[in-house]
Amino acid sequence: DGGITQSPKYLFRKEGQNVTLSCEQNLNHDAMYWYRQDPGQGLRLIYYSQIVNDFQKGDIAEGYSVSREKKESFPLTVTSAQKNPTAFYLCASSMGYGTEAFFGQGTRLTVV
Amino acid sequence: GDSVTQMEGPVTLSEEACLTINCTYTATGYPSLFWYVQYPGEGLQLLLKATKADDKGSNKGFEATYRKETTSFHLEKGSVQVSDSAVYFCALRDIGGSGNTGKLIFGQGTTLQVKP
Repeated sequence: DGGITQSPKYLFRKEGQNVTLSCEQNLNHDAMYWYRQDPGQGLRLIYYSQIVNDFQKGDIAEGYSVSREKKESFPLTVTSAQKNPTAFYLCASSMGYGTEAFFGQGTRLTVV
Repeated sequence: GDSVTQMEGPVTLSEEACLTINCTYTATGYPSLFWYVQYPGEGLQLLLKATKADDKGSNKGFEATYRKETTSFHLEKGSVQVSDSAVYFCALRDIGGSGNTGKLIFGQGTTLQVKP
């Protein structure tokens, strides 16, 4: 079945550590996105990529980094510079302009 | 810039009641409009969409009509069930405004609780 796979589902990070969240899609979509969701709030865009080897900052990119070396993969690294990383992270992909996005099941990151 | 505003929740209804969740938007171009649903602990699922003015999106008994004159895309259902309890997000993708990127812009979400 085609879809978007995020892993792990739950992730715990110690203060000062970098962690990487995985996002893989087999939908042959060009565009991929990372969103952050905090309790009771909407989704805020972290980074997005419209083609391989290219990506742009979203609204809250500070403390995060991404890469897009393959069409199907868009990993997100939460660096130690992100001061409040505890949140639910959602990856999405879409065919392109004007089309709907499909979401993964999310990764819940907790700082311990 | 582009934005989406939803009615604040939570919305609490009894089973078989009528539902309306208001959504209004601001966009510089020609947006496509979407409703997504999120069940606890899960990602978002597309519920319905409309790509131009006067289009009506529908799915699983839910409907929403793209109203350009009022810049609205209200979600409606005639008879809700307990299984409809979730968070609902209105979103737009602006594909014609100046400087736009085609990215999705979300409202803050509305929690729906349906009681038996």
